[in-house]
Amino acid sequence: DAGVIQSPRHEVTEMGQEVTLRCKPISGHNSLFWYRQTMMRGLELLIYFNNNVPIDDSGMPEDRFSAKMPNASFSTLKIQPSEPRDSAVYFCASSLTGSSGELFFGEGSRLTVL
Amino acid sequence: AQSVTQLDSHVSVSEGTPVLLRCNYSSSYSPSLFWYVQHPNKGLQLLLKYTSAATLVKGINGFEAEFKKSETSFHLTKPSAHMSDAAEYFCVVSDAGGSYIPTFGRGTSLIVHP
Repeated sequence: DAGVIQSPRHEVTEMGQEVTLRCKPISGHNSLFWYRQTMMRGLELLIYFNNNVPIDDSGMPEDRFSAKMPNASFSTLKIQPSEPRDSAVYFCASSLTGSSGELFFGEGSRLTVL
Repeated sequence: AQSVTQLDSHVSVSEGTPVLLRCNYSSSYSPSLFWYVQHPNKGLQLLLKYTSAATLVKGINGFEAEFKKSETSFHLTKPSAHMSDAAEYFCVVSDAGGSYIPTFGRGTSLIVHP
């Protein structure tokens, strides 16, 4: 299997622009997580999907952030409008529910908002 | 609620000397515990996991961890550090009380001196 695939790997944009990050989980996995990592706040869980349904979005910072999972093989995290404080590395991870919770991470999307 | 505390933000060792990264957890259920490693500009990779089987768990690259329920600890050790071990290490807990959503520690940065 190719593992969790994220795109783009790097994104530089200007404040106010819309940003869309994409994730393809491992085939057969039914749980998907979006995390944000910064030096100041460490690794933060943004949202968790199970069987394509958002289960816990309490970590989503504000209404500017939205996430979707239209099918089992694709998820997006959208920021609109983006702000400089959104600059971070965003990770997607997938797992198989009932498999003791081991997560498989993508390589991350590094976002810089100018 | 589940929680995990990594007792050191940075650990510095010389190549060839033992490594000890400390982790304490809190859980009202039978937890699953994990250690993940993150090399610079990479995603997180599973080092090892405990899921109620043997209390001494062996992982990749010579690392191991021991689950001690009485001490609520899951410290990560390696007999001899290698330069390639320099990375960020995360302790993670998952249990039924948290709906098996993993909770990450803040991370420990391992520095290896030649």
